[in-house]
Amino acid sequence: GENVEQHPSTLSVQEGDSAVIKCTYSDSASNYFPWYKQELGKGPQLIIDIRSNVGEKKDQRIAVTLNKTAKHFSLHITETQPEDSAVYFCAAPDTGRRALTFGSGTRLQVQP
Amino acid sequence: NAGVTQTPKFQVLKTGQSMTLQCAQDMNHEYMSWYRQDPGMGLRLIHYSVGAGITDQGEVPNGYNVSRSTTEDFPLRLLSAAPSQTSVYFCASSYSPNRGAKNIQYFGAGTRLSVL
Repeated sequence: GENVEQHPSTLSVQEGDSAVIKCTYSDSASNYFPWYKQELGKGPQLIIDIRSNVGEKKDQRIAVTLNKTAKHFSLHITETQPEDSAVYFCAAPDTGRRALTFGSGTRLQVQP
Repeated sequence: NAGVTQTPKFQVLKTGQSMTLQCAQDMNHEYMSWYRQDPGMGLRLIHYSVGAGITDQGEVPNGYNVSRSTTEDFPLRLLSAAPSQTSVYFCASSYSPNRGAKNIQYFGAGTRLSVL
């Protein structure tokens, strides 16, 4: 099955700074890489995803990059705001189970 | 649409008790799944279903049972609760169960379970 590793486990930045979260995956056949945001007391919610036929995708202040050769992908948040404070999860397909395998999560804290 | 609804939100059990966590979705999704979330370990798949009448095991299935008699409902049963099952449980659903395909999962708000 797929193995996804995520770093760092915690990240603290000042408001307005950028934040980067990195993930690696093991299955070279994986072709879809979503990122989820989990706010306190809520379930995870998809914020951005990328298919393997593109290297980068942007949506306002967030972007995801993918390096298929190295089997890693990253989430970039620019101009961070206090409402960006949450736990972020990366994921990759577990094709054997038709499911997603999630990383261990990154707790992002944006200091005002 | 209510999306994915989980009940109860909180539950305390004694070791050996049984209970059922309820999950319902109103989006006509074929695929439903249960995850548990533990500190530092992300979301781990317990069981999943690709349609009514079809279920399969995930990464950590021991101690849990599921059934899928309708498209809407996917309950998770704890047969004999143990302290190791103290966790936050999330139910999710999605359109596409296809292998490797874009699989946007919609999560419920979770059930926080403590087993004493």
